[in-house]
Amino acid sequence: GENVEQHPSTLSVQEGDSAVIKCTYSDSASNYFPWYKQELGKRPQLIIDIRSNVGEKKDQRIAVTLNKTAKHFSLHITETQPEDSAVYFCAARDNYGQNFVFGPGTRLSVLP
Amino acid sequence: DTEVTQTPKHLVMGMTNKKSLKCEQHMGHRAMYWYKQKAKKPPELMFVYSYEKLSINESVPSRFSPECPNSSLLNLHLHALQPEDSALYLCASSQVGEDTQYFGPGTRLTVL
Repeated sequence: GENVEQHPSTLSVQEGDSAVIKCTYSDSASNYFPWYKQELGKRPQLIIDIRSNVGEKKDQRIAVTLNKTAKHFSLHITETQPEDSAVYFCAARDNYGQNFVFGPGTRLSVLP
Repeated sequence: DTEVTQTPKHLVMGMTNKKSLKCEQHMGHRAMYWYKQKAKKPPELMFVYSYEKLSINESVPSRFSPECPNSSLLNLHLHALQPEDSALYLCASSQVGEDTQYFGPGTRLTVL
């Protein structure tokens, strides 16, 4: 089955700096890669996603890049703000289409 | 309505109790999911219902019994749980064959 790794496990940045989180996946048939943000005690919220037919997607300060050959994808947050502090999970959807496999998460702290 | 709701928000139960978790969505989604999330860990898939039929059971112990009485409701019946079953139980929904899963706020379960 699919296996998703995520790095780093914790990340601290100064407000205004950029943050990058990287994930790798094992199943070359996976074709959908969402990123979720989860604040303490809250539900995971989808912040951006990318499909395997696209190499990059951007939404304001957030962007995701996908390298299918290397089987890795990355989340880029620019001009970070304290409210960006949360745990971020990447995920990969297997070819069956229903099973999301999540990465272990990255705790991002944006220091004012 | 673009929200998944879950009740109760918190539940404390003994190992001999029987209780149920409830999830509801009115987005017309025909795929619904139960996830278990332990502290500082990613969500782990438990069950998937597609068109009200169980399509994935990720080897979950029989003390967890899912039920999908109609296209808007998903229940998780709990019986004879163990303290290690204490976790946040998340429900999610999506269109069948579509990518984006929407999560409910979760039920925080404590088993004494």
